[in-house]
Amino acid sequence: QQQVKQSPQSLIVQKGGISIINCAYENTAFDYFPWYQQFPGKGPALLIAIRPDVSEKKEGRFTISFNKSAKQFSLHIMDSQPGDSATYFCAASRGSSNTGKLIFGQGTTLQVKP
Amino acid sequence: NAGVTQTPKFRILKIGQSMTLQCAQDMNHNYMYWYRQDPGMGLKLIYYSVGAGITDKGEVPNGYNVSRSTTEYFPLRLELAAPSQTSVYFCASRTGNTGELFFGEGSRLTVL
Repeated sequence: QQQVKQSPQSLIVQKGGISIINCAYENTAFDYFPWYQQFPGKGPALLIAIRPDVSEKKEGRFTISFNKSAKQFSLHIMDSQPGDSATYFCAASRGSSNTGKLIFGQGTTLQVKP
Repeated sequence: NAGVTQTPKFRILKIGQSMTLQCAQDMNHNYMYWYRQDPGMGLKLIYYSVGAGITDKGEVPNGYNVSRSTTEYFPLRLELAAPSQTSVYFCASRTGNTGELFFGEGSRLTVL
């Protein structure tokens, strides 16, 4: 059972464009929704995270939009740069202060063309 | 500050062999995790630990074992390797205060 579904699987965007990656979750007990960025040959690293008490969180060019009623959240990358080319994973967990077990989406490979 | 260190980075095993993937963290994190990453499948949790002496199964524990005798080390044991265990394995850790996971650089395992 895939509890977190991510789309698209791959994405090609021109430099300066907006990259949008979507995720949907099933478990309404989830209360922590991070996005991880992974470069080839490296481990994932936390990019930005949100909790369901807010509908949007912005950090620089990266924004998470959260829709609790639809059980969906998305990552928006504004002014996409070639250096943003990486694999992005959404994730969800129940109670980050407890075991913090993250359930990951399938990943999206982003290519930003110069 | 090395963070999370995994060894080996690459390994080829024959079917039926056993091996241990090593993971060490120097951040004094209580929580540690093992994930496997397969193309198009994201990361799947194999085992996790909330502190020394305490481990529990994740989503895909079959064929693996773990131990956590100290806070720093969290080795993953593969017994009787099978081709289905060909994957990239990531160890991660975190404190109990935030949800952020700190990942190692991964161990790529091929079973032939």
